[in-house]
Amino acid sequence: DAGITQSPRHKVTETGTPVTLRCHQTENHRYMYWYRQDPGHGLRLIHYSYGVKDTDKGEVSDGYSVSRSKTEDFLLTLESATSSQTSVYFCAISRTGDTEAFFGQGTRLTVV
Amino acid sequence: DQQVKQNSPSLSVQEGRISILNCDYTNSMFDYFLWYKKYPAEGPTFLISISSIKDKNEDGRFTVFLNKSAKHLSLHIVPSQPGDSAVYFCAASTGNQFYFGTGTSLTVIP
Repeated sequence: DAGITQSPRHKVTETGTPVTLRCHQTENHRYMYWYRQDPGHGLRLIHYSYGVKDTDKGEVSDGYSVSRSKTEDFLLTLESATSSQTSVYFCAISRTGDTEAFFGQGTRLTVV
Repeated sequence: DQQVKQNSPSLSVQEGRISILNCDYTNSMFDYFLWYKKYPAEGPTFLISISSIKDKNEDGRFTVFLNKSAKHLSLHIVPSQPGDSAVYFCAASTGNQFYFGTGTSLTVIP
């Protein structure tokens, strides 16, 4: 299995608070991704990174920011959490960006 | 707008029979296609992939077919086993992003 660790695995937070999710990889893959999974929507890309300090938006990036200061870490921040951001968040990594991507175990975030 | 579509939310198949999961896409620039399997409370697991220059790729019980003219992808599982019961996502890549369908929940009945 690809070495991907997401933390925390579960989090409950209040509306309006900032939240940061962490993805850590040990594979030295260039590409890292944040997805959210919601019923009826499948997996939707939030942001992705193609190198240290190189990031770009996905299809559902509003309300989220990311940072990648090291190859192994990709952080997803909800600046001010809203109930619509209650979801399961998955981090993924890919060596080349156009072949296989490997996923972490997910973080279940509940915003109350 | 959804660029990768899985129009069947669920599928039930008897153990030992063939499972066929379908996927359609709209973007002709996609050049790599993948299938993932997901169990509850786990991350998606890569299953099999196919490049746009091929029309078939086989790995054990799993075969993926690509029909570029129809913009259609399918996954065949033969024979189906109860452990194959999971949600299956198809995905397509343009080079640095992966686009996923909404998933098909497969139930293999013993």
